[in-house]
Amino acid sequence: DIQMTQSPSFLSASVGERVTLSCKASQNINKYLDWYQQKLGEAPKLLIYNTNNLHTGIPSRFSGSGSGTDYTLTISSLQPEDVATYFCLQRNSWPTFGAGTKLELK
Amino acid sequence: EVQLQQSGPELQRPGASVKLSCKASGYTFTEYYMYWVKQRPKQSLELIGRIDPEDGSTDYVEKFKNKATLTADTSSNTAYMQLSSLTSEDTATYFCASGTEGFDYWGQGVMVTVSS
Repeated sequence: DIQMTQSPSFLSASVGERVTLSCKASQNINKYLDWYQQKLGEAPKLLIYNTNNLHTGIPSRFSGSGSGTDYTLTISSLQPEDVATYFCLQRNSWPTFGAGTKLELK
Repeated sequence: EVQLQQSGPELQRPGASVKLSCKASGYTFTEYYMYWVKQRPKQSLELIGRIDPEDGSTDYVEKFKNKATLTADTSSNTAYMQLSSLTSEDTATYFCASGTEGFDYWGQGVMVTVSS
């Protein structure tokens, strides 16, 4: 199985700040990398699929990049409603999730 | 509008079995795999397995092969997951999820509590 390592585990940032979350795969996943946002008590929500494709209805302050084994989710200007845990998921082979990054407001 | 509507919370005794449901609407049920995901309290997401509603074929993560059984009823557009021989380790929220690129659609989740 492909292992997904997210960093950092916890991040505290201010409103308006640019935020970068990372996800590293144990092998090349050919850009089959999605990002999900999960708010407390809710189901995860797809933000970005296949590295850099914004899902329908997701604000443009979210963006993704990467290739090979290293991928990044960027929030260009953090908003209060972005407080959540973010998970990456690889779908190059049997899907596996990262452990998540918990994002809070400073 | 696509919806995955899951059944209600469950409280079960150790050793019991439980069958969870996930009713799909707003899309062609047989078009996408249905996945089931486990999330223990304050932990990450763990894939259990998936079913192809079109032919009923299933794939399971190894650790869940003797724990979960996935089925699908195309007449009611409903996917099911039965969990057997419940232990405290099965206390979690379980989600169904489906979609094209990525897991576009998620059920609201169902909390299963195993306690004597």
